[in-house]
Amino acid sequence: QVQLQQWGTGLLKPSETLSLTCAVYGESFSGYFWTWIRQPPNKGLEWIGEINHSGSTNYNPSLKTRVTISVDSSKNQFSLKLRSLTAADTAIYWCARFRIPTPGLDYWGQGTRVAVSS
Amino acid sequence: DIQMTQSPSILSAFVADRVTITCRASQNINYWLAWYQQKPGKAPKLLIYKASSLESGVPSRFSGSGSGTAFTLTISSLQPDDFATYYCQQYSLYPYTFGQGTRLEIK
Repeated sequence: QVQLQQWGTGLLKPSETLSLTCAVYGESFSGYFWTWIRQPPNKGLEWIGEINHSGSTNYNPSLKTRVTISVDSSKNQFSLKLRSLTAADTAIYWCARFRIPTPGLDYWGQGTRVAVSS
Repeated sequence: DIQMTQSPSILSAFVADRVTITCRASQNINYWLAWYQQKPGKAPKLLIYKASSLESGVPSRFSGSGSGTAFTLTISSLQPDDFATYYCQQYSLYPYTFGQGTRLEIK
């Protein structure tokens, strides 16, 4: 059974850096894209970016200058860093697995509520 | 970016009704589309991939159709567990984008 377990700091101040990590259990780490998605309060879903086991990344251009997604394949973990936070970055952040070649986000973490406030 | 527009934004229906949610893409995405169901406080759940393929374990009352720029999600006979918010997502071009969501409410 595939499980994604995520953790990280939930309360941050403007200008600080968000750091989240997602660990993958029960499945091979290779052959998928590992994704971060966020959802502001009472709003829709925003795709942040993705990484594969070898470190190849794709980012949302709207966040690209502030985002870094990295991977530690030896630990089956991937991480998100989002710099220069503002209140607009307040959201639930999800990690998820993007499956190929039958594409879709089929497994998700439990979500991390992140609040940015002075 | 490819814009995904869902309609309606809110849909009220009775148990046992047949309902359809529409998703339109701002450009051709072939069949590179997924549908998700999200309940309050929970992660989205994959229902349909490649526009019309039913995800394993998802009830057969859910179906998807369409290609190009116009897609639909149909629930053939609404069950109480189906009242939730539904999102479409395109993965034809980066950045992958979602529709704004359709909230399905019980009437």
